[in-house]
Amino acid sequence: GEDVEQSLFLSVREGDSSVINCTYTDSSSTYLYWYKQEPGAGLQLLTYIFSNMDMKQDQRLTVLLNKKDKHLSLRIADTQTGDSAIYFCAESIGNYGQNFVFGPGTRLSVLP
Amino acid sequence: GAGVSQTPSNKVTEKGKYVELRCDPISGHTALYWYRQSLGQGPEFLIYFQGTGAADDSGLPNDRFFAVRPEGSVSTLKIQRTERGDSAVYLCASSLGAGGGHEQFFGPGTRLTVL
Repeated sequence: GEDVEQSLFLSVREGDSSVINCTYTDSSSTYLYWYKQEPGAGLQLLTYIFSNMDMKQDQRLTVLLNKKDKHLSLRIADTQTGDSAIYFCAESIGNYGQNFVFGPGTRLSVLP
Repeated sequence: GAGVSQTPSNKVTEKGKYVELRCDPISGHTALYWYRQSLGQGPEFLIYFQGTGAADDSGLPNDRFFAVRPEGSVSTLKIQRTERGDSAVYLCASSLGAGGGHEQFFGPGTRLTVL
């Protein structure tokens, strides 16, 4: 079945760039997403990319999509302590893209 | 404006009991989703409503789980004969339209503990 995989932990220094990687299995995915989950807070959509795009940039966030390798990455420039959270990669599948498959999440720790 | 709300925020029940979890989506959102998130894992899709109808219930784990959305707004997830393995955070999300191009807005979740 469909599967989304991520490394579970990432630790970076404040001010450095963070790169969170994700692989997925369903080649029919129409959209791929990055969500952020902070302690005690709900999931928040950070950004998403349509499957026919290679890259999307949004302020400090850069998403790269390699559709051939089914690899998605999220780069956070100038990482701040407020970026510490769990980041989930997700793909939408199904006839209308209605079924979302999430990865296990990468816990990003930003060290001062 | 108000976001997605879920009640109760916490629910503790005994094995074998019946529970109902409620979701109030953002007004005007026609699409509504239920997910289950176990500790240390990502959300797992359960069911998707477009309006009043369950357009995709392929994620419901078994027939103990059922969800309704009778008027196309509030939804209730119902779990019969609860088991300890049902313990998780149940998340609801809503979006303006169907499918992947529409942002899903998540509620804070209901933490279900089955003793």
